[in-house]
Amino acid sequence: NAGVMQNPRHLVRRRGQEARLRCSPMKGHSHVYWYRQLPEEGLKFMVYLQKENIIDESGMPKERFSAEFPKEGPSILRIQQVVRGDSAAYFCASSPELQETQYFGPGTRLLVL
Amino acid sequence: QKEVEQNSGPLSVPEGAIASLNCTYSDRGSQSFFWYRQYSGKSPELIMSIYSNGDKEDGRFTAQLNKASQYVSLLIRDSQPSDSATYLCAVIGGGYQKVTFGIGTKLQVIP
Repeated sequence: NAGVMQNPRHLVRRRGQEARLRCSPMKGHSHVYWYRQLPEEGLKFMVYLQKENIIDESGMPKERFSAEFPKEGPSILRIQQVVRGDSAAYFCASSPELQETQYFGPGTRLLVL
Repeated sequence: QKEVEQNSGPLSVPEGAIASLNCTYSDRGSQSFFWYRQYSGKSPELIMSIYSNGDKEDGRFTAQLNKASQYVSLLIRDSQPSDSATYLCAVIGGGYQKVTFGIGTKLQVIP
């Protein structure tokens, strides 16, 4: 049973470009969560999605950031017009239900030059 | 604002000692509690979950929950250098709540 998968593992972008981060949840999990972690800082919740629905995006910046979890395929976190401050590790987690254990993917390290 | 608080450390313990990691939370209705371990540059991995008051043991790890005091702890017996990592406390609040993570406590086990 494969775990949570994320790709790419490392992503380098120049300022102003777009970054697309992908997350495939564990088999049987329909709840996906995205977190951002800056160096030496804690995990910051960004967005919680179920299939085709954004349930809670209270942690997501209002501009440039968007997320989706389509009926088919992985969840996508999209960052438009990246800035250096977007450089961080972005983790995806999944759970079978909302209030059950979350399992994390390996993360995507985004570096904005 | 629902909060989960941890001392960021670092907490240094000698090899073979017991490491005690503490976490407090503000939402009295919280129902589910988790401890994750995160090595530098890696993703968090689940160590233990606990849902009811008391102790829960798994190998060298013991989670302790006291809902009246809104306090959850993790004890690591016979600490090893490989236990050196950041330990994240995570809490799911009452009702329709997502999980909230603490900032994490950095543990250093000195050989």
